[in-house]
Amino acid sequence: EAGVAQSPRYKIIEKRQSVAFWCNPISGHATLYWYQQILGQGPKLLIQFQNNGVVDDSQLPKDRFSAERLKGVDSTLKIQPAKLEDSAVYLCASSLPGSDEQFFGPGTRLTVL
Amino acid sequence: AQSVTQLDSQVPVFEEAPVELRCNYSSSVSVYLFWYVQYPNQGLQLLLKYLSGSTLVKGINGFEAEFNKSQTSFHLRKPSVHISDTAEYFCALRGFQKLVFGTGTRLLVSP
Repeated sequence: EAGVAQSPRYKIIEKRQSVAFWCNPISGHATLYWYQQILGQGPKLLIQFQNNGVVDDSQLPKDRFSAERLKGVDSTLKIQPAKLEDSAVYLCASSLPGSDEQFFGPGTRLTVL
Repeated sequence: AQSVTQLDSQVPVFEEAPVELRCNYSSSVSVYLFWYVQYPNQGLQLLLKYLSGSTLVKGINGFEAEFNKSQTSFHLRKPSVHISDTAEYFCALRGFQKLVFGTGTRLLVSP
């Protein structure tokens, strides 16, 4: 069974530029999560989708971050414009509805210069 | 508010020695507790979880953890570590909808 796929694995941009990350969850997993993991910290939930609807986006900085999951499968997270403090690993995870186990992708490491 | 505290940012041990990684939590409601492992340049992988029932939980790779409600702890243990156990370990809780992670403990196993 294929795991959660993410691309790109690494991205370096300058501040004020835009960037987008892509995630393809495990087949059949209706719930999808985006986390931000800053160096030295644990992952922090940015947004949770159930199919293509948003369940929780309370910690998403909506002035610069956006996410979509149009067809209820893969998802895109965008930052526009990026700030230095956005440098982090962005993790995507997926799970079956109602399940306690989340399966994580390898992450995208973003460096903002 | 819910929170997870991992006081040890780094734990160095020698191969075949026992190890304990500490985790304390705070929550006003009942919680589910988890330990995840993150190998370099990889995503997180679930080691074990406590949902209910027996307070001693066994996971993959020989790890186990004990839920202690009175001390609000969920410490992770392994009786004999291997070099391959070198990784970052995260304790997490779920009280409402979302997972709340601790800051992680880096386990460094040397020969």
